[in-house]
Amino acid sequence: GQNIDQPTEMTATEGAIVQINCTYQTSGFNGLFWYQQHAGEAPTFLSYNVLDGLEEKGRFSSFLSRSKGYSYLLLKELQMKDSASYLCAVRDHNTDKLIFGTGTRLQVFP
Amino acid sequence: DADVTQTPRNRITKTGKRIMLECSQTKGHDRMYWYRQDPGLGLRLIYYSFDVKDINKGEISDGYSVSRQAQAKFSLSLESAIPNQTALYFCATSDSGTGGHGNEQFFGPGTRLTVL
Repeated sequence: GQNIDQPTEMTATEGAIVQINCTYQTSGFNGLFWYQQHAGEAPTFLSYNVLDGLEEKGRFSSFLSRSKGYSYLLLKELQMKDSASYLCAVRDHNTDKLIFGTGTRLQVFP
Repeated sequence: DADVTQTPRNRITKTGKRIMLECSQTKGHDRMYWYRQDPGLGLRLIYYSFDVKDINKGEISDGYSVSRQAQAKFSLSLESAIPNQTALYFCATSDSGTGGHGNEQFFGPGTRLTVL
């Protein structure tokens, strides 16, 4: 079966750095996605990792370790607009479906 | 113009009524999905379709049905709505080709459904 765990809530200060962790267990792994979702809005794509290592895209970076079943999303130079939920999702190799975690709600304070 | 659209955006209905939620896309993607989102439970897959002739159940398909009328259209029906189907519903699309970003899913704006 599949299981994805991420913290429910996190808080941070404007300008700081925050790391959101995601651990997963899956019978067949074919990539990990991070999405951002503001309250009441659609999720939007942030990053994709299929190989081990760090993918950097501006203020956001995502890391993957397949052997550990672990990923993190790193947000630098936090801005108030980064207050949102961050969803970790794993694609199952056998079905090509995405399995989503319950999301981490990040609140950024001035 | 939005690439993935959903209608209606909000709907309040009564127990036992039949409801249809519609999704259209102009991205030219072959794959479409319906999810529901509940507080604390994340996004859960209801049904998905990898092409017009392919319909598959997701993890929570009971009480729902779908129709893929064309590559660009995927409708979700609640034959007899019940209160625990109150949720935020999202349609999503993706491309099966060898695109970048791992062929990520693109989400519509969502439909907020309330069943009284």
